[in-house]
Amino acid sequence: DVKVTQSSRYLVKRTGEKVFLECVQDMDHENMFWYRQDPGLGLRLIYFSYDVKMKEKGDIPEGYSVSREKKERFSLILESASTNQTSMYLCASSLPRSSGNTIYFGEGSWLTVV
Amino acid sequence: AQKITQTQPGMFVQEKEAVTLDCTYDTSDPSYGLFWYKQPSSGEMIFLIYQGSYDQQNATEGRYSLNFQKARKSANLVISASQLGDSAMYFCAMREGNYQLIWGAGTKLIIKP
Repeated sequence: DVKVTQSSRYLVKRTGEKVFLECVQDMDHENMFWYRQDPGLGLRLIYFSYDVKMKEKGDIPEGYSVSREKKERFSLILESASTNQTSMYLCASSLPRSSGNTIYFGEGSWLTVV
Repeated sequence: AQKITQTQPGMFVQEKEAVTLDCTYDTSDPSYGLFWYKQPSSGEMIFLIYQGSYDQQNATEGRYSLNFQKARKSANLVISASQLGDSAMYFCAMREGNYQLIWGAGTKLIIKP
């Protein structure tokens, strides 16, 4: 089975802290994604990556950065956490569309910024 | 303009009844894919079913089926014989291009015993 693992399930951080959310997938997928999910707003794409060291901005990249140094790992970085970044963060991975259609998700990371 | 619309923010259904969750979409791309995901209160996003725009038949996966009406741009999820464990948020999503999924706002389904 495909596995997407997010390193932290629940985090509480202080305003201004640097926060790292790690995501690892074990299926050699080219594409990886970071979403943010808030009630009533559905899932919003922050960043995605289609190859190592490649990244593309999604719909809401402000306040975030990403790193993909290895194919299996995609990190989301909050340089200076703010309370409006309190949310649930979901990582996902997939093959290129030509190779498959399913997008697999991790279990989510609940981040609270106080 | 919204590309994926789920008009039902919430639904209550009696156990063992069939459920239809609505999803309409908007795209000018002739090649696209439609997904349904289930999200229980634990937070994980579980893939349920996929329909490609060129697929001739409606997709089915066990108790899940997708009522794909291309001309109407609708892709409703049908759950037969609902169970208590079906209580969750359900999201419809569309894939355009190679990468992104565009998501609906979700429908909260509650199954009553």
